[in-house]
Amino acid sequence: EVQILETGGGLVKPGGSLRLSCATSGFNFNDYFMNWVRQAPGKGLEWVAQIRNKNYNYATYYAESLEGRVTISRDDSKSSVYLQVSSLRAEDTAIYYCTRRNVMDAWGQGASVTVSS
Amino acid sequence: DIVMTQGALPNPVPSGESASITCQSSKSLLHSNGKTYLNWYLQRPGQSPQLLIYWMSTRASGVSDRFSGSGSGTDFTLKISSVEAEDVGVYYCQQFLEYPYTFGAGTKLELK
Repeated sequence: EVQILETGGGLVKPGGSLRLSCATSGFNFNDYFMNWVRQAPGKGLEWVAQIRNKNYNYATYYAESLEGRVTISRDDSKSSVYLQVSSLRAEDTAIYYCTRRNVMDAWGQGASVTVSS
Repeated sequence: DIVMTQGALPNPVPSGESASITCQSSKSLLHSNGKTYLNWYLQRPGQSPQLLIYWMSTRASGVSDRFSGSGSGTDFTLKISSVEAEDVGVYYCQQFLEYPYTFGAGTKLELK
């Protein structure tokens, strides 16, 4: 069974940073592209970042609205993907989902991030 | 960026009736390889989104055959035949032809 579990959310002050983790199991993680998608309270879905697999040199792509403040990375030995976000703003408050593949066929339950003083 | 525009539903939808959700992209999502880079998702209340349809018309594993996807390069439709209580939620279309990937704003389905 495919499992995706995000951790690392919480309350962060404006200007702060955080690192979200996404642990996976149930599939050959090395083969897959992975994404982060976020959803602000009461709003729609926003793609944040993607990291490709080793065959594609771990290429990374980012939403323009976040570029420069986010870094996606992965550790194939741990079947995990990470999202580092810095210079956090109130508008970064959202649930952050980790998803698998371009067609996003598997989602975690999400990690809640609140940016507030 | 490719803009995805979704239509609204005439809510609430009577149980057992069919419902069609439209989605339009600002650029053709038809690739030279013949595939259309369009996905559909359902987010039920309080849950994470789930994939329903990918490549415009291929049902994801375990998805009811009451769901079908169709369209052209820029205009797409998700049809739900015989709407049931479990279909309630927000539907999103999403393109993955180009970065940044973009979603439509969502279409809410309510049941009568």
